[in-house]
Amino acid sequence: EAQVTQNPRYLITVTGKKLTVTCSQNMNHEYMSWYRQDPGLGLRQIYYSMNVEVTDKGDVPEGYKVSRKEKRNFPLILESPSPNQTSLYFCATRAGTGLDYGYTFGSGTRLTVV
Amino acid sequence: GENVEQHPSTLSVQEGDSAVIKCTYSDSASNYFPWYKQELGKRPQLIIDIRSNVGEKKDQRIAVTLNKTAKHFSLHITETQPEDSAVYFCAAHLYNFNKFYFGSGTKLNVKP
Repeated sequence: EAQVTQNPRYLITVTGKKLTVTCSQNMNHEYMSWYRQDPGLGLRQIYYSMNVEVTDKGDVPEGYKVSRKEKRNFPLILESPSPNQTSLYFCATRAGTGLDYGYTFGSGTRLTVV
Repeated sequence: GENVEQHPSTLSVQEGDSAVIKCTYSDSASNYFPWYKQELGKRPQLIIDIRSNVGEKKDQRIAVTLNKTAKHFSLHITETQPEDSAVYFCAAHLYNFNKFYFGSGTKLNVKP
């Protein structure tokens, strides 16, 4: 079954404590991306990757890092989380970088930073 | 970049009525327009999409129309059912940046 797996689903952490949200896909998709979803703001792109070792900033990259060492994995790293990073995070993948490929989203990670 | 505006932010309809959600975009280079449905507590899921060389696309009770000249596209749901209740997001794919830009979402409530 085609899947985008995110972990954890829920996370409560304290300010400044480094954390990683994992994302793994089994569809051999080249393009992977991280979004955060906040009320009234929709989905905003944090980082994306077009292939292994190729990553780039989205619209709201501050405070986040990513890596793409393998095609299937695209972890999101918060080196020093702050309360304004409390949000719902989605990993999303696409089959390619061309036209008409919609996203497949992971199940989401609800992060609370206190 | 691109700016996608979505209206209305909330929409309440009676079961069996039609619902229409509208989005506008700013960059004529946008070439692909998907719509996503997000049920409460779940991930967004692609429900229908349209390319810039097509004016209308239909899939059972849902349809999407695109007006490239006016730079707007709309989602139409006919014969609404309570299970259509969700948040719907439109998006525009900006070809030269290879990025998606999302609207802010419409919360649709279908009353039985």
